[in-house]
Amino acid sequence: EVQLLESGGGLVQPGGSLRLSCAASGFTFNSFAMSWVRQAPRKGLEWVSSISTSGATTTTYSADSVKGRFTISRDNSKNTLYLQMNSLRAEDTAVYYCARGHTVFGDFDYWGQGTLVTVSS
Amino acid sequence: EIVLTQSPGTLSLSPGERATLSCRASQSVSSTYLAWYQQKPGQAPRLLIYGASSRATGIPDRFSGSGSGTDFTLTISRLEPEDFAVYYCQQYGSSPPEFGQGTKVEIK
Repeated sequence: EVQLLESGGGLVQPGGSLRLSCAASGFTFNSFAMSWVRQAPRKGLEWVSSISTSGATTTTYSADSVKGRFTISRDNSKNTLYLQMNSLRAEDTAVYYCARGHTVFGDFDYWGQGTLVTVSS
Repeated sequence: EIVLTQSPGTLSLSPGERATLSCRASQSVSSTYLAWYQQKPGQAPRLLIYGASSRATGIPDRFSGSGSGTDFTLTISRLEPEDFAVYYCQQYGSSPPEFGQGTKVEIK
């Protein structure tokens, strides 16, 4: 059974940092692109970052709203996806989902349950 | 950047009725990289349709997707009680991938 389990969310002050993790199981992790998608309270879905499957070169992509502040990475030996979030802002407050993709940018067939990040003083 | 506009914002229907949801793109979506997701309160989204018209694994055949270019449609042939939710379209053929703002299907 495919499972994605996020962790690392919480309350952080503006300007602070958090690292989210997504532990994957039930599938060959290094064969799939992975992404982070967020949802602000009572709002719609927003793509955050994606990382390609591992090969000779792993390619990462990020939304303009987080570029230079957030870094997506993966550790295939641990079947884990990460999102390092720095210089956090109030507008980054959201539930963050990790998702498995059949393409880099979509066709997200499995999602985690989400982890809440609250940026507030 | 491709902007997706979903309509209507809210659809009020009764169980057993047909639901037709629209997703219009500001530019042509390449290779029909268009997906539909369902989200219920407090839950993660669920993939319904990918490639504009292919049902994801385990999705009932009352859900169907159609369209190409800039106009796409999700149809639910006969609404079941569990189908009342928010539906999002997503284009994933170009960067950045974008989601529509969602259509809420509510019980009339």
